[in-house]
Amino acid sequence: ETGVTQSPTHLIKTRGQQVTLRCSSQSGHNTVSWYQQALGQGPQFIFQYYREEENGRGNFPPRFSGLQFPNYSSELNVNALELDDSALYLCASSPTVQTSPNEQFFGPGTRLTVL
Amino acid sequence: GENVEQHPSTLSVQEGDSAVIKCTYSDSASNYFPWYKQELGKRPQLIIDIRSNVGEKKDQRIAVTLNKTAKHFSLHITETQPEDSAVYFCAASRGSGGSYIPTFGRGTSLIVHP
Repeated sequence: ETGVTQSPTHLIKTRGQQVTLRCSSQSGHNTVSWYQQALGQGPQFIFQYYREEENGRGNFPPRFSGLQFPNYSSELNVNALELDDSALYLCASSPTVQTSPNEQFFGPGTRLTVL
Repeated sequence: GENVEQHPSTLSVQEGDSAVIKCTYSDSASNYFPWYKQELGKRPQLIIDIRSNVGEKKDQRIAVTLNKTAKHFSLHITETQPEDSAVYFCAASRGSGGSYIPTFGRGTSLIVHP
């Protein structure tokens, strides 16, 4: 069984650019959630995908979008990058999103710096 | 939406002492409360969780208590060790449309001095 992986580990972009971050969920998990963690803060929920459909969204603008693929891996896309988008982006997978909460397993994160 | 307040932001203790971190939440419908430990440069990892139908849960040196009426929950670590040093996050979540989306506190930096 493999854990949650993310790529790239670090990324530097300039304002206005677009970025794609990737996440491979843990084996057997069908739900992926994405979080933004600014320095010194707790993770902020961006959105969640379950079986390739968006299943919940936090208070983030539409320029934050995502995808989930048939193998349950996922992408986070951010358009028109702003300086405040600089943060650690975490994805977390869990085995199901159904009737009761399950432990979320976090990936190592992607550190995004916007200059 | 849900709002989670976490205190203190920094906690410094001597090895062997107990540590207590407290969180309050605003949404009375929240029913799942996980606690995560994040070591420097590493991913958050679940250390203990509690559901709203339980008032207390213990796992070796770690315990969590929940007071639904007052809408607060606490993490208790006994016999602290230097390897307990990390940032601890509480979270509160509720089911909505089949998903459980946690709202995290801002974290507590626990420092255990040998």
